[in-house]
Amino acid sequence: NAGVTQTPKFRVLKTGQSMTLLCAQDMNHEYMYWYRQDPGMGLRLIHYSVGEGTTAKGEVPDGYNVSRLKKQNFLLGLESAAPSQTSVYFCASSSLASNEQFFGPGTRLTVL
Amino acid sequence: AQTVTQSQPEMSVQEAETVTLSCTYDTSENNYYLFWYKQPPSRQMILVIRQEAYKQQNATENRFSVNFQKAAKSFSLKISDSQLGDTAMYFCAFMKQSGGSNYKLTFGKGTLLTVNP
Repeated sequence: NAGVTQTPKFRVLKTGQSMTLLCAQDMNHEYMYWYRQDPGMGLRLIHYSVGEGTTAKGEVPDGYNVSRLKKQNFLLGLESAAPSQTSVYFCASSSLASNEQFFGPGTRLTVL
Repeated sequence: AQTVTQSQPEMSVQEAETVTLSCTYDTSENNYYLFWYKQPPSRQMILVIRQEAYKQQNATENRFSVNFQKAAKSFSLKISDSQLGDTAMYFCAFMKQSGGSNYKLTFGKGTLLTVNP
C-alpha cells in the first residue's frame, strides 16, 4: 500500500516548456487535489476532483490544467511554464467517508 | 471566503517543555472542521489533530491538544513534553462542511517550530 505517490520528485523547466505531473493513489479515494506551496504562503489549492471524469478550479488555477481519466490518477499539466510557477506541488486524496486528506511527497519544480 | 491566520512565523521551545501555536480563522459558516498539519524537513504533510466545530470538547492526540474557541474563532495547538522530532512547520487548516461533501482545505501560512536540546 503506497498511499499517494507523485512523479517526478524534481524537475527543472525552461520558460515556455510544458510538462505533466502525475499523482497516483491506491486507496480507492473519490477526491483528489493539487496544491502548490510557496515560501511564506502555506498551501494553496490549484484544482481538485470529486470523482473520475470531473475536475474543478481551486484558488489559483490559472496556467494549469488537470485531468482525471482514471479514479486512481490525477494529472496536473503546465502548457507553457512560467517562472512564477516555480514551487513545490503536492497532491492529496481523501475518501467520501472521511475528511482527512492524505498527501504525496511533493514535486519540486523550478522554471528558469 | 475563509481565511486562516497564523500570527507566529517562528517559535522555539526547549526539549520537554510545552509550547502553544496560535491560529485564528474567519468564516461565516457554522459547520466546519479544523486541522493541524505537521511538515518536517522531509516535506511530507502529516495530520496531527482535527476538530469538528460542532463538538465542544477539545480534541487530544497523545502529547498534542487543541484549545478550540468557536466564538472567538480561535484554534490553538498545544504540544506537551516537546521532542526533537517535533521540529517542523505546522499548518493550521480549515475545511467547510458543504452538503455532506468534505473537501477543499484552506491553509494558514505556517509556524516554524524548532525544538532545542
